Amino acid sequence: NAGVTQTPKFQVLKTGQSMTLQCAQDMNHNSMYWYRQDPGMGLRLIYYSASEGTTDKGEVPNGYNVSRLNKREFSLRLESAAPSQTSVYFCASSEQRARNQPQHFGDGTRLSIL
Amino acid sequence: GDSVTQMEGPVTLSEEAFLTINCTYTATGYPSLFWYVQYPGEGLQLLLKATKADDKGSNKGFEATYRKETTSFHLEKGSVQVSDSAVYFCALSEAYGGSQGNLIFGKGTKLSVKP
Repeated sequence: NAGVTQTPKFQVLKTGQSMTLQCAQDMNHNSMYWYRQDPGMGLRLIYYSASEGTTDKGEVPNGYNVSRLNKREFSLRLESAAPSQTSVYFCASSEQRARNQPQHFGDGTRLSIL
Repeated sequence: GDSVTQMEGPVTLSEEAFLTINCTYTATGYPSLFWYVQYPGEGLQLLLKATKADDKGSNKGFEATYRKETTSFHLEKGSVQVSDSAVYFCALSEAYGGSQGNLIFGKGTKLSVKP
């Protein structure tokens, strides 16, 4: 069972470079999410997509863009990377965006920006 | 806004000891509550959940009861094993408005279990 798959697993960038983090889920879920995890901060929501064709900002959207490519895929783009974006990024999905729906997480992308 | 506060770690226990990790929340309405576990180098896995007051979630020997009167959802396990060493996150799912379904996480509690 693949679940939620994120690529790449590790990446090192220089300040100002751009890159796209990929996420795909095979559970036929409608809703997808991007989080960042920083030491001592828990996880914070960057963007989410409640359903195919829609995206919305979360708690910390500045410096990021997203694309819901289809029902399976949800990508996160850093247009001009900054050292403050060094973090571990997690993609998640849920059947619906509702209070009783658990989210399922990928294994994360560890991103370092020099 | 909604928030989750959980006890800071790290927590170090001997194998077979009793575990409690405290979690309290502030929320509008009736959120759902979750515990997630993160093993080293991996993503978060759902451990258990509760969706209404007095519900008890349980899984793999872990339990937590949704206490609305004390706004708490403490995680307990009667006898921990070395394999339980991980970071544990308490989270709530917002109940109302445009943020319904979004998860708010605590900062995480690292548990180390020694043989």
